[in-house]
Amino acid sequence: AQSVTQPDIHITVSEGASLELRCNYSYGATPYLFWYVQSPGQGLQLLLKYFSGDTLVQGIKGFEAEFKRSQSSFNLRKPSVHWSDAAEYFCAVGGLGSARQLTFGSGTQLTVLP
Amino acid sequence: NAGVTQTPKFQVLKTGQSMTLQCAQDMNHEYMSWYRQDPGMGLRLIHYSVGAGITDQGEVPNGYNVSRSTTEDFPLRLLSAAPSQTSVYFCASSESGFTDTQYFGPGTRLTVL
Repeated sequence: AQSVTQPDIHITVSEGASLELRCNYSYGATPYLFWYVQSPGQGLQLLLKYFSGDTLVQGIKGFEAEFKRSQSSFNLRKPSVHWSDAAEYFCAVGGLGSARQLTFGSGTQLTVLP
Repeated sequence: NAGVTQTPKFQVLKTGQSMTLQCAQDMNHEYMSWYRQDPGMGLRLIHYSVGAGITDQGEVPNGYNVSRSTTEDFPLRLLSAAPSQTSVYFCASSESGFTDTQYFGPGTRLTVL
């Protein structure tokens, strides 16, 4: 069965500081990996996704993520956080096996201090 | 384009009542899905559809029914509401499957008393 762990429930950073949100996944084959962001009261929006190829993927809003197969990780990074980045971030994994669906992590809430 | 729309935004039910959450998309997407979001649990897939007339169960399908008679609409029915179904429900659509970018609706907040 596929699963996703986001070990940090809540992270606080100062505006302008760098950010790294952790995501560990479990999947038997090559996974499809995603990061979504949810602003308060809104639906989710895709930040970036990884299927194959270059293990460093660029997304919208200045975010990037690195796929590390040996560590089963897909951490999200941003060099300089803006106050508008305050939101909840979800990592998700899926594959083309028997269960063709996305499994989401429990989310990391990001607070940005002025 | 309106994208993915959901109605109602809020709903309060009593235990045992039934209701239908509406979801519509105007992007001609084949794949549509319903998730529920509960605190500390992320999103869990309830049902999904890969095209009109085709539906399948997700991770937590019990107590819910879906049908897909048109490409645009994917309603979710609660057959007999229970307090455990208190949640925020999101509908999403994508071109052909979960590997494509999923576009989410604004959500329906449901409370079952």
